[in-house]
Amino acid sequence: GAGVSQTPSNKVTEKGKYVELRCDPISGHTALYWYRQSLGQGPEFLIYFQGTGAADDSGLPNDRFFAVRPEGSVSTLKIQRTERGDSAVYLCASSLKGAGEDTQYFGPGTRLTVL
Amino acid sequence: AQKITQTQPGMFVQEKEAVTLDCTYDTSDQSYGLFWYKQPSSGEMIFLIYQGSYDEQNATEGRYSLNFQKARKSANLVISASQLGDSAMYFCAMREHLRGGFKTIFGAGTRLFVKA
Repeated sequence: GAGVSQTPSNKVTEKGKYVELRCDPISGHTALYWYRQSLGQGPEFLIYFQGTGAADDSGLPNDRFFAVRPEGSVSTLKIQRTERGDSAVYLCASSLKGAGEDTQYFGPGTRLTVL
Repeated sequence: AQKITQTQPGMFVQEKEAVTLDCTYDTSDQSYGLFWYKQPSSGEMIFLIYQGSYDEQNATEGRYSLNFQKARKSANLVISASQLGDSAMYFCAMREHLRGGFKTIFGAGTRLFVKA
């Protein structure tokens, strides 16, 4: 079956612009996670969805970041007024139930570069 | 506060030998999960092994085993019979039950180099 997919694979934008990053989870997975990975670092938690609702958005760095999952499947991470410090690889993962022992399956990531 | 600590930025191992990658964690939860992921240079995160806090036996998955010492809050990954394809970044992660859901925290990673 298909794994987690993310589009685009690369996004280059200018400072101040708005970007949307898309994640298609594994079919049937109810939990979806967004992470940000800067060069040489481990993934940093941003937000976690259980179904359509954000169960924990405590990792979003500020109000320029927002994510939605309107139908409980595809999710979009939205970044307003991008800054150079937002440049990173944005990883999406999904898991079957979102329970503690669930394995998270990761997508290939979107590399965002803000010039 | 640092939740997951991986003290080895880089490790070298000879092909066919075993290697241990260190991980210590900090939590006040009684119920939590510990994971190891591999990230090759291509960038994808590959799940390797899981250990639940209540599991009494160390987890094993093929050549991977997790040396879980709960009292010391350590969850070291042991890779037996290293292969050249094991060269990659390895991340230790912990999932805690917070705010009605589960949040996963990753360490900074250890880069493993397998020598022929």
